[in-house]
Amino acid sequence: QKEVEQDPGPLSVPEGAIVSLNCTYSNSAFQYFMWYRQYSRKGPELLMYTYSSGNKEDGRFTAQVDKSSKYISLFIRDSQPSDSATYLCAMSGRDSSYKLIFGSGTRLLVRP
Amino acid sequence: DAGVTQSPTHLIKTRGQQVTLRCSPKSGHDTVSWYQQALGQGPQFIFQYYEEEERQRGNFPDRFSGHQFPNYSSELNVNALLLGDSALYLCASSLGTSANTGELFFGEGSRLTVL
Repeated sequence: QKEVEQDPGPLSVPEGAIVSLNCTYSNSAFQYFMWYRQYSRKGPELLMYTYSSGNKEDGRFTAQVDKSSKYISLFIRDSQPSDSATYLCAMSGRDSSYKLIFGSGTRLLVRP
Repeated sequence: DAGVTQSPTHLIKTRGQQVTLRCSPKSGHDTVSWYQQALGQGPQFIFQYYEEEERQRGNFPDRFSGHQFPNYSSELNVNALLLGDSALYLCASSLGTSANTGELFFGEGSRLTVL
């Protein structure tokens, strides 16, 4: 079993839809939770960063962390064709580990 | 302000050869991490360099080695290439104090194909 599970998709939605992307994890030591966006043939770009549980909003993006359920979500409001990309969740712990554990990514397609 | 730059962008090698990939971190960053991303997968941590030392290593064999220079730039070396080493190799930079909190800035990657 992988430490971080993410549905690979693809997820296809019409422009303007609300998109929900999710990851589950097994390691309760994770304290930092990130969402990265990766366009084809590009490196990942940090979208959202959350410490511990709770919500964080940035423009059209909202990240939620539920540590009791080991479940994190990214919501995209008013989705645009330019949001079409692969979304990677990533996590790290408060111990001395410096590595990020990534999910396998969900491919999102927003149709005009 | 230049972001993370990597070279080369693409390269093709044959089995058994050796490869060196290079990375310059974002201005002001002192820590470099290397990740391997196979097609359709998330990035896998190879190692992290801080103050010219390998600070942490992932589950990669000794064929994977690295170096960090005084100007914080870094190299990733892979010896005795295998077909399974074909992947996108990503360099990520960060500040040493936040290097475990996920605030990484990634380069565009070096795409290695092993034939």
